[in-house]
Amino acid sequence: DARVTQTPRHKVTEMGQEVTMRCQPILGHNTVFWYRQTMMQGLELLAYFRNRAPLDDSGMPKDRFSAEMPDATLATLKIQPSEPRDSAVYFCASGPPGQDYNEQFFGPGTRLTVL
Amino acid sequence: AQTVTQSQPEMSVQEAETVTLSCTYDTSESDYYLFWYKQPPSRQMILVIRQEAYKQQNATENRFSVNFQKAAKSFSLKISDSQLGDAAMYFCAYTPWGGYQKVTFGTGTKLQVIP
Repeated sequence: DARVTQTPRHKVTEMGQEVTMRCQPILGHNTVFWYRQTMMQGLELLAYFRNRAPLDDSGMPKDRFSAEMPDATLATLKIQPSEPRDSAVYFCASGPPGQDYNEQFFGPGTRLTVL
Repeated sequence: AQTVTQSQPEMSVQEAETVTLSCTYDTSESDYYLFWYKQPPSRQMILVIRQEAYKQQNATENRFSVNFQKAAKSFSLKISDSQLGDAAMYFCAYTPWGGYQKVTFGTGTKLQVIP
């Protein structure tokens, strides 16, 4: 049963600490998305990659957020330093190649709480 | 810029009854895709149904169907024979045609199913 995995599922940290969230896309998928979900803003696209190259990260605060794909099986989202307003659920989603309709397969999310 | 609007923050339906969730969108594109995603309390985002804008026929998936009105830019989801497991947040989403572009999500509608 192929699925997107995310670690950790929950993270509580203190303001100023570095946070790294990891995502393993479905094997063979070449597009990876990072979203942030909050009650106030809903689901926001932070960044997305195709074939490990960043296509758009305009939704991401550049001063503290960074996203990378060290290899095809791992995507990371890093926040340094973290702030209370970063508290949210962060979703990773992946999609297969050769598809026009952009179906995305979501991971279970990482719930981040910054105190 | 594309926008997706869900004007019903919450809806409720009696078990076994039918409910319709509304969605409108704004775009200047002629080819695009529309989606309904379900997010149960587990937080897992699940694709419910997809509609291609160039297809006049409304998509259906078992108890789920859409009413796609392209000229009106309206895309509503009808759930027939509602079940307790249908209780969730439902998100309408839009993406232009062609190989993984940004997906824009609405703010969601919380559906309650009353036994």
